[in-house]
Amino acid sequence: IVLTQSPGTLSLSPGERATLSCRASHSVSSSYLAWYQQKPGQAPRLLIYGASSRAAGIPDRFSGSGSGTDFTLSISRLEPEDSAVYFCQHYASSPTWTFGQGTKVEIK
Amino acid sequence: QLQLQESGPGLVKPSETLSLTCTVSSGSISSVIHYWGWVRQPPKGLEWIGSIYYSGNTFYNPSLKSRVSISVDTSKNQFSLRLTSVTAADTAVYYCVRLQHGYGMDVWGQGTTVTVSS
Repeated sequence: IVLTQSPGTLSLSPGERATLSCRASHSVSSSYLAWYQQKPGQAPRLLIYGASSRAAGIPDRFSGSGSGTDFTLSISRLEPEDSAVYFCQHYASSPTWTFGQGTKVEIK
Repeated sequence: QLQLQESGPGLVKPSETLSLTCTVSSGSISSVIHYWGWVRQPPKGLEWIGSIYYSGNTFYNPSLKSRVSISVDTSKNQFSLRLTSVTAADTAVYYCVRLQHGYGMDVWGQGTTVTVSS
């Protein structure tokens, strides 16, 4: 499975809504699709699992959706602290784990 | 709160073996619902290297399988990575992680930078 994320960079203002896309090369189970946030100099942090469930402690401004080959991470009411790179990830039953190449979100 | 800490050399010579250890604190590596693994990050992107269960069952990235070995020491609450025949392409930040199938990688170490250079 290859995960392709778009756009490469998203530049938005505080309070706006960000929509990030993750497209899989083949249909995947939404149960095994996750999203991570990585801020500069930090390790990634799990945001969303099972395509749409928020991990512990994640604000409800973050939401995930999608199925099959197309998945979306939405961030409503952007805050300066949301500036980061966001990765999608798929877990296959083999088991193997694959990451997308990332989308950078910049807050103007 | 469970924490992970990587340790090992920051500089490895080409063709030699990269060895890292991850120490699990404030929790047990013998959890029945978790796996333990390694992820690396070259200048861009993230790459899963492999995972291990406390019983010793291992799973590796097919692209690295011929060079990778992951082991676990439950008595020390540690697991380790060995990557043989390294080249400059193996230069990256290496993270140890806790994985739960159907959930994700929910705990990460702070990461350790490994540079392959003579």
